[in-house]
Amino acid sequence: ETGVTQSPTHLIKTRGQQVTLRCSSQSGHNTVSWYQQALGQGPQFIFQYYREEENGRGNFPPRFSGLQFPNYSSELNVNALELDDSALYLCASSSRQGSYGYTFGSGTRLTVV
Amino acid sequence: GDSVTQMEGPVTLSEEAFLTINCTYTATGYPSLFWYVQYPGEGLQLLLKATKADDKGSNKGFEATYRKETTSFHLEKGSVQVSDSAVYFCALSDAYNTDKLIFGTGTRLQVFP
Repeated sequence: ETGVTQSPTHLIKTRGQQVTLRCSSQSGHNTVSWYQQALGQGPQFIFQYYREEENGRGNFPPRFSGLQFPNYSSELNVNALELDDSALYLCASSSRQGSYGYTFGSGTRLTVV
Repeated sequence: GDSVTQMEGPVTLSEEAFLTINCTYTATGYPSLFWYVQYPGEGLQLLLKATKADDKGSNKGFEATYRKETTSFHLEKGSVQVSDSAVYFCALSDAYNTDKLIFGTGTRLQVFP
């Protein structure tokens, strides 16, 4: 079975721009979560999608938005990029909500200059 | 709110030494507990998990026991290898909030030959 794949692996954007990150969940998984990992920190929960609906959100502003598609792949969109948005963005999928553990992708490294 | 506290690193050991990385948690419910490992330049990999009190998770020689009385989930390994060098994250799943993962700040392990 394939794991979680994310694209692109690296990205450089200018402050104020918009960015879209993509994630293909592991086969059979219907729940996708996104996390932001700043350098030297643990990942922080952004939001979760379950069967194409947002199913929980962390302490992130509305300029962070997402989508989940019928094939359970997902996108993370960030508008009006700020320098502090520079981080590793991780996508994680699960066949059920949380308790059985999530499978993480390798992440997208976003640098905002 | 729920939180996870890990010992600060880096932890520096010689090959074949005994490893302990301390992790304590605060939670209002009955969370599942996890250890994830992150190798340089990669995403997170689930190392082991425990879903209820007194459960012991184990994988690749690593072990951790869910101790409800001390709210701890310390990671141990009897004999570390150079290949174990990585950052280790303790996490809990918030059963009352979509099972999102709440991570500690991570502990870097460096093993020297």
